[in-house]
Amino acid sequence: DQQVKQNSPSLSVQEGRISILNCDYTNSMFDYFLWYKKYPAEGPTFLISISSIKDKNEDGRFTVFLNKSAKHLSLHIVPSQPGDSAVYFCAAISTFQGGSEKLVFGKGTKLTVNP
Amino acid sequence: KAGVTQTPRYLIKTRGQQVTLSCSPISGHRSVSWYQQTPGQGLQFLFEYFSETQRNKGNFPGRFSGRQFSNSRSEMNVSTLELGDSALYLCASSFRDGEQFFGPGTRLTVL
Repeated sequence: DQQVKQNSPSLSVQEGRISILNCDYTNSMFDYFLWYKKYPAEGPTFLISISSIKDKNEDGRFTVFLNKSAKHLSLHIVPSQPGDSAVYFCAAISTFQGGSEKLVFGKGTKLTVNP
Repeated sequence: KAGVTQTPRYLIKTRGQQVTLSCSPISGHRSVSWYQQTPGQGLQFLFEYFSETQRNKGNFPGRFSGRQFSNSRSEMNVSTLELGDSALYLCASSFRDGEQFFGPGTRLTVL
């Protein structure tokens, strides 16, 4: 049972335009969400996160939106740059477990930004 | 501050053998998690250790095991290797809930 779903395996956008990566989750106990970015031959690196008490978090060109009623979050990259080309993983965790660090990841979306 | 390190970076084994992978977390991080990444399944959680105790375990067979030492360094072991165990094995350490820092991974190929 996949608790975190990234239904688009790949996305291609033009440089300078907006990239929107989507993520859906099924577990209502998740209260903290993260996005990671992964280049080939490297481990994922943390990008941005959002707590369930918020509906938006912004960091430079990256904004994450959370819609709890729809159990949906999205990552917006504006403007997209060729260096953003990578695989993006959505992850979620339930902090109610009292400090237990079990992150659940989606399968990833490969973003390609064309010059 | 040094990042998470994993050794070895690449490994080739044959079916039936066993393998041990090592992970050194960021200094001060006491939680270490292990993941398996394959093209078809994405990132799958293996297990998590905190203060030398396994706190969480994913849905993997008993051939996959791990341990954590008093200095927070962790090892994972896979016994009786199968072709399907070929994957990138990632280790991540964290200081607080949620935000994990990943190592570069160990690419295991089983022939």
